[in-house]
Amino acid sequence: DTGVSQDPRHKITKRGQNVTFRCDPISEHNRLYWYRQTLGQGPEFLTYFQNEAQLEKSRLLSDRFSAERPKGSFSTLEIQRTEQGDSAMYLCASNRQVFTYNEQFFGPGTRLTVL
Amino acid sequence: AQKITQTQPGMFVQEKEAVTLDCTYDTSDQSYGLFWYKQPSSGEMIFLIYQGSYDEQNATEGRYSLNFQKARKSANLVISASQLGDSAMYFCAMGRTNAGKSTFGDGTTLTVKP
Repeated sequence: DTGVSQDPRHKITKRGQNVTFRCDPISEHNRLYWYRQTLGQGPEFLTYFQNEAQLEKSRLLSDRFSAERPKGSFSTLEIQRTEQGDSAMYLCASNRQVFTYNEQFFGPGTRLTVL
Repeated sequence: AQKITQTQPGMFVQEKEAVTLDCTYDTSDQSYGLFWYKQPSSGEMIFLIYQGSYDEQNATEGRYSLNFQKARKSANLVISASQLGDSAMYFCAMGRTNAGKSTFGDGTTLTVKP
């Protein structure tokens, strides 16, 4: 069990550029989540997938954000035309669909800085 | 909609003493789960403990216990015998049973003093 991995760990970009982040979940997990965390706050839900289907998107996810999980394994989160307000830690988490609780396993995050 | 409130931005505790971190929640769901995560300065989110809304017993995991009071909609985390390594940010979260996202509070920063 190698855990959830995210790449890159840090990204610095200029305003207006596009960025893409990758998340590799734990292999047997069919659910994958993206959260955004700004300094001093808790993670805010962005979107989640069950297998390759995107089941829910937050209203926080503007048209500039898009996420994919094409084969039900890894996922990418793309931000187009980045703004300074997009600077945050982007966290990915995964778990299996179960009928009890939904503890999520988090990756180390990608820290985005928009200059 | 679900909401988590953590009213203590920062807490201090002496090493080896117990500490309680407060969490209240609001939801109209009948079936839900409550979670606590630890986030050290390194940034990773570490799952600590879970309580289901229908669980009658309070959850315990080693030095962590969750004081669940359903009528008051509170789910406080109790850490016994604090250690220096417990210094971190602690988040309370909730989610619908067998559903997707979790909703997080804004966290409590715990500092353990030697």
